[in-house]
Amino acid sequence: GQQVMQIPQYQHVQEGEDFTTYCNSSTTLSNIQWYKQRPGGHPVFLIQLVKSGEVKKQKRLTFQFGEAKKNSSLHITATQTTDVGTYFCADDEETSGSRLTFGEGTQLTVNP
Amino acid sequence: DAGVTQSPTHLIKTRGQQVTLRCSPKSGHDTVSWYQQALGQGPQFIFQYYEEEERQRGNFPDRFSGHQFPNYSSELNVNALLLGDSALYLCASSFTFLGVETQYFGPGTRLLVL
Repeated sequence: GQQVMQIPQYQHVQEGEDFTTYCNSSTTLSNIQWYKQRPGGHPVFLIQLVKSGEVKKQKRLTFQFGEAKKNSSLHITATQTTDVGTYFCADDEETSGSRLTFGEGTQLTVNP
Repeated sequence: DAGVTQSPTHLIKTRGQQVTLRCSPKSGHDTVSWYQQALGQGPQFIFQYYEEEERQRGNFPDRFSGHQFPNYSSELNVNALLLGDSALYLCASSFTFLGVETQYFGPGTRLLVL
């Protein structure tokens, strides 16, 4: 089945530094969704990317979908302590209904 | 508007026992999916219910079964529990609007099998 790889597994930054997590697949991704999971919490939907080359922004967060739809990235500018958590990408295979295949996630810690 | 709710929040069982987890979807949502999230890993798709039937299933053994009720709420049953079943079980509800389906996750049930 579909496999989604995510790097890095961990990222430690100083507050104010930028952060990027990458999502890759050997096969074409359907639609990419990004989620944030705070420690002890549950995944919270951030955004969905559908089109090849698509770029979307949410305040300090920038999401990109690769031209070949085999990779995606999430970039956070000037991290804050509230950005702490694990960021997951997920491929939405959308067969007969949404079915998410998650990457392993990138755990972000921000030192104040 | 209540979001997705799950019960119980925590549960401790022993090997060989059976467990039932419950999920109430977000208002207006008709589809419920279940995911298993082991510690330090991404959630893995178990199955999805729509119109009271299992519509899709992931790579999980038959020990994992489910049900959806007419009010769209759902149950996940796991029989003959193994130590490896210890995980956070997440329920996600969704509906499709203009061809886009967004899943909303509940807080999860943390299951520990001893």
